[in-house]
Amino acid sequence: EAGVAQSPRYKIIEKRQSVAFWCNPISGHATLYWYQQILGQGPKLLIQFQNNGVVDDSQLPKDRFSAERLKGVDSTLKIQPAKLEDSAVYLCASSLDKGARETQYFGPGTRLLVL
Amino acid sequence: AQSVTQLGSHVSVSEGALVLLRCNYSSSVPPYLFWYVQYPNQGLQLLLKYTSAATLVKGINGFEAEFKKSETSFHLTKPSAHMSDAAEYFCAVKQGNNRLAFGKGNQVVVIP
Repeated sequence: EAGVAQSPRYKIIEKRQSVAFWCNPISGHATLYWYQQILGQGPKLLIQFQNNGVVDDSQLPKDRFSAERLKGVDSTLKIQPAKLEDSAVYLCASSLDKGARETQYFGPGTRLLVL
Repeated sequence: AQSVTQLGSHVSVSEGALVLLRCNYSSSVPPYLFWYVQYPNQGLQLLLKYTSAATLVKGINGFEAEFKKSETSFHLTKPSAHMSDAAEYFCAVKQGNNRLAFGKGNQVVVIP
């Protein structure tokens, strides 16, 4: 079974530029998550989708971050404009459903460096 | 909201020695708890999870964890460390809205 796919794996941009990340979850997984992992910290949830609807985006900085999952499968996360403090690893995860017992499966992440 | 605490960012262990990583949780309801491992430049991989069944949970790669309600703990152990265990380990708890809240992680270094 293929895992969660993410691209690109690495991205270097200058501040105030825009950037987009792509995620393809495990086939059949209804729930998709985007996490931000700053160096030395645990991942922090940015947004959670159930199919193509947003379940939780309370920790998403909406003035610069946006995400969509239009067809309920793959998803994109965008930052516009980027700030230095956005340098982090962006992890995508998926689960079969949004139940509390469900395991979240993580992709390899996109490592972003903002100069 | 539920949260977890992991103390000591770096943990050094000799090859063949016991691995012990501590995790304490804060929760007003029975928690669902997870341990994940992250190898360099990779995503997180589930080691084991507690979902209110048996209190001693066995996971992959010889790891296990015991849920102790009286101590609000879910410590991760492995009897004998291997070089391949060098990685970062995260404890996490499911919050009421199904969000995973992670601890700060433990970087494990295995000394030959």
